[in-house]
Amino acid sequence: QVQLQESGPGLVKPSQTLSLTCTVSGGSISSGSYYWSWIRQPAGKGLEWIGRIYTSGSTNYNPSLKSRVTISVDTSKNQFSLKLSSVTAADTAVYYCARGEVDGSLDYWGQGTLVTVSS
Amino acid sequence: DIQMTQSPSTLSASVGDRVTITCRASQNINSWLSWHQQKPGNAPKILISKASTLESGVPARFSGSGSGTEFTLTISSVQPDDFATYYCQQYGSSFITFGGGTKVEIK
Repeated sequence: QVQLQESGPGLVKPSQTLSLTCTVSGGSISSGSYYWSWIRQPAGKGLEWIGRIYTSGSTNYNPSLKSRVTISVDTSKNQFSLKLSSVTAADTAVYYCARGEVDGSLDYWGQGTLVTVSS
Repeated sequence: DIQMTQSPSTLSASVGDRVTITCRASQNINSWLSWHQQKPGNAPKILISKASTLESGVPARFSGSGSGTEFTLTISSVQPDDFATYYCQQYGSSFITFGGGTKVEIK
């Protein structure tokens, strides 16, 4: 059973870079036909897809965030990461990592981690 | 980008009621649609993929239908454990998008 776990600072100052890591267990991040995604959810609001990385290394990003987002993968650690630069209070949200199958939907989610942007 | 419009945004139902949630895509996504259930404080959980394929372990009272631009999620007889928020999600393009969510409340 694949499990995903987000980790990173829960508090980030405005204008700084938010950095989160998702650790994958129960399977190799580089095996199979999967992609690895980040999604966020502000308190009381809906889900917003941030982007994804394939095991090949190719990426897709939400156009509204593309200029500030970088998703990368570290196969040696079975992890993938999110960096979001120049954050503001509007970036305060629960951040989820998730796995998706190529030509398939998001099928496994992490439990989520709250990131607050505040000075 | 493909916009996903869910309706209603809130739905009140009694245990045993049949519940239907609609999701419309702004362009053709074939059957590249999934439904997720989210309970307060928890991560979403996938219920249905490819518009109508029930994921393993999901009760048979859940069903999905549709293709192209119009999709529905039906709960044939809603149970206490089903009161939650439901999201549709399209994966027919390189940019994944979610519907705004439907909260199913107890009447």
